[in-house]
Amino acid sequence: NAGVMQNPRHLVRRRGQEARLRCSPMKGHSHVYWYRQLPEEGLKFMVYLQKENIIDESGMPKERFSAEFPKEGPSILRIQQVVRGDSAAYFCASSRPGSQETQYFGPGTRLLVL
Amino acid sequence: AQKITQTQPGMFVQEKEAVTLDCTYDTSDPSYGLFWYKQPSSGEMIFLIYQGSYDQQNATEGRYSLNFQKARKSANLVISASQLGDSAMYFCAMIGGTSYGKLTFGQGTILTVHP
Repeated sequence: NAGVMQNPRHLVRRRGQEARLRCSPMKGHSHVYWYRQLPEEGLKFMVYLQKENIIDESGMPKERFSAEFPKEGPSILRIQQVVRGDSAAYFCASSRPGSQETQYFGPGTRLLVL
Repeated sequence: AQKITQTQPGMFVQEKEAVTLDCTYDTSDPSYGLFWYKQPSSGEMIFLIYQGSYDQQNATEGRYSLNFQKARKSANLVISASQLGDSAMYFCAMIGGTSYGKLTFGQGTILTVHP
């Protein structure tokens, strides 16, 4: 009964490169959420997805960031042309349909932009 | 809009004593949920306790209890009989009826338990 899986756990990119963060939800969970934690801060909501649908992307930066949750495979958070300010921990959470308040978090991906 | 405020950047407690971590919230949603998460130095987010806005009784989970005062809009976490392993960052969070899946987190409180 695996929990939420995220990979990679650590990712190092140079400025201008692309970062792809993956999240596999728990079995039976079709809702995925992405949060970002900047150093010394709390988590900030980014986006809420269901399979093939973006439900709420009010926390996503307008440029360079995108997220998807295809019918098959993990959810992907993609950051194009990364900048140093993108260095953060990115957490994914998942929930069952109808239980959005019960979100199970993955271990996070630590992104470092050099 | 929802807001969570944790006014204590850091707290210290002696092992085996109880400690209260403060959390106040603001929301216009009539229905909402309040959470506490623990983030140890390893970085993962561990769910501790949940309180629904319509729950009559304060939530308890083992050594954790949530002191919910709706009129004051506070949801303080009480940890009884602190252990060294309780040293971590603690986040208060909420979800509102209209925000539909979006958790709003506070800034966190670092708890240090002394032997």
